[in-house]
Amino acid sequence: AQTVTQSQPEMSVQEAETVTLSCTYDTSENNYYLFWYKQPPSRQMILVIRQEAYKQQNATENRFSVNFQKAAKSFSLKISDSQLGDTAMYFCAFIPTSGTYKYIFGTGTRLKVLA
Amino acid sequence: ETGVTQTPRHLVMGMTNKKSLKCEQHLGHNAMYWYKQSAKKPLELMFVYSLEERVENNSVPSRFSPECPNSSHLFLHLHTLQPEDSALYLCASSQVDGSYNEQFFGPGTRLTVL
Repeated sequence: AQTVTQSQPEMSVQEAETVTLSCTYDTSENNYYLFWYKQPPSRQMILVIRQEAYKQQNATENRFSVNFQKAAKSFSLKISDSQLGDTAMYFCAFIPTSGTYKYIFGTGTRLKVLA
Repeated sequence: ETGVTQTPRHLVMGMTNKKSLKCEQHLGHNAMYWYKQSAKKPLELMFVYSLEERVENNSVPSRFSPECPNSSHLFLHLHTLQPEDSALYLCASSQVDGSYNEQFFGPGTRLTVL
């Protein structure tokens, strides 16, 4: 079975500091996509960053970057210069490219940025 | 309205009631999804519609009945629910065109079953 594991239920970070959220996944597929989504309190879930497994270069979006280790099946999210608005639940998600519509999500990490 | 909208935002219902959740996407996407979000559990995919045809039905109890009348609208009809069905129900849409693009989510309907 394909699974996504986020081992940190809650984390906190001081404003302006850097934090890394971990995500591991299990699959026998070779081609797939990985995503990090952010769900702020009482607000809609939005995409933070997306990585295609066949691309070796790690994706970056402004202050957000990933460390994608395909062999280790690891996909961590690094948030630099944390801001109060980064306080949210963060979900890691995965979907193979084998024709399924089934995105698989982790249980989420609740991140709190402290002033 | 832009993006993905859901109504109602909050719903309280008894176990014998019948209600419907509505989702509308204004993005021109060709796939729509229903998820159940419970605390400390992964998002559970319930149903997927692609081009108005159901392509995934993830072993969901028959007391949940989806309907997709066109590519912009998705409904979830509810009847004789159980208290354990209380959760946040999220609708999402995406454009599937040979690659897997991001899903756009609605704000959710917070459902409480008494």
